[in-house]
Amino acid sequence: IAGITQAPTSQILAAGRRMTLRCTQDMRHNAMYWYRQDLGLGLRLIHYSNTAGTTGKGEVPDGYSVSRANTDDFPLTLASAVPSQTSVYFCASSGTSGPTDTQYFGPGTRLTVL
Amino acid sequence: GQNIDQPTEMTATEGAIVQINCTYQTSGFNGLFWYQQHAGEAPTFLSYNVLDGLEEKGRFSSFLSRSKGYRYLLLEELQMKDSASYLCAVMDSNYQLIWGAGTKLIIKP
Repeated sequence: IAGITQAPTSQILAAGRRMTLRCTQDMRHNAMYWYRQDLGLGLRLIHYSNTAGTTGKGEVPDGYSVSRANTDDFPLTLASAVPSQTSVYFCASSGTSGPTDTQYFGPGTRLTVL
Repeated sequence: GQNIDQPTEMTATEGAIVQINCTYQTSGFNGLFWYQQHAGEAPTFLSYNVLDGLEEKGRFSSFLSRSKGYRYLLLEELQMKDSASYLCAVMDSNYQLIWGAGTKLIIKP
């Protein structure tokens, strides 16, 4: 494979359930990101990781957690899903977190919380 | 707060030229990015400007003049496959991208 993969492609989840969205990249990029995209709004950063072993909070981190145990994987966990977390979730990566590094996006996970 | 503004929707004719403007209010500026996003797909990188000037990539060009307040994406010789949303994003002083809601471009034959 080349690039970023996300799983699942889509999911319908009952409110209150725990859910982990998976993201894997094979480009050996140091920086990884999780965004959510909602109709009429720009992409909003949930969490990020500048390098393996470190994570940081973005604009909308509440209700989400991440881990970065290695370079390739960056899972996003919803501890107890709520309907407002219904969204399309994109994982992205870049060589570094610097200004000239382009972010490359995975195909997205469409999550519906009922 | 930080904010990126761009037109919600634009319509153009196949073969024509269209200019998509972007304005921003952010804490710092470390570059302006343009991405293309087809419906149901992931955003893909188009161009990046940090210094004033024109970046040309085939039919697509992006222009930045911070002093004159011009920031736009120019698409020439429009093709039906150019129907997509075009996302403007600015990298702020914390090196985080602040995204606009996107401009949906509709191409008519």
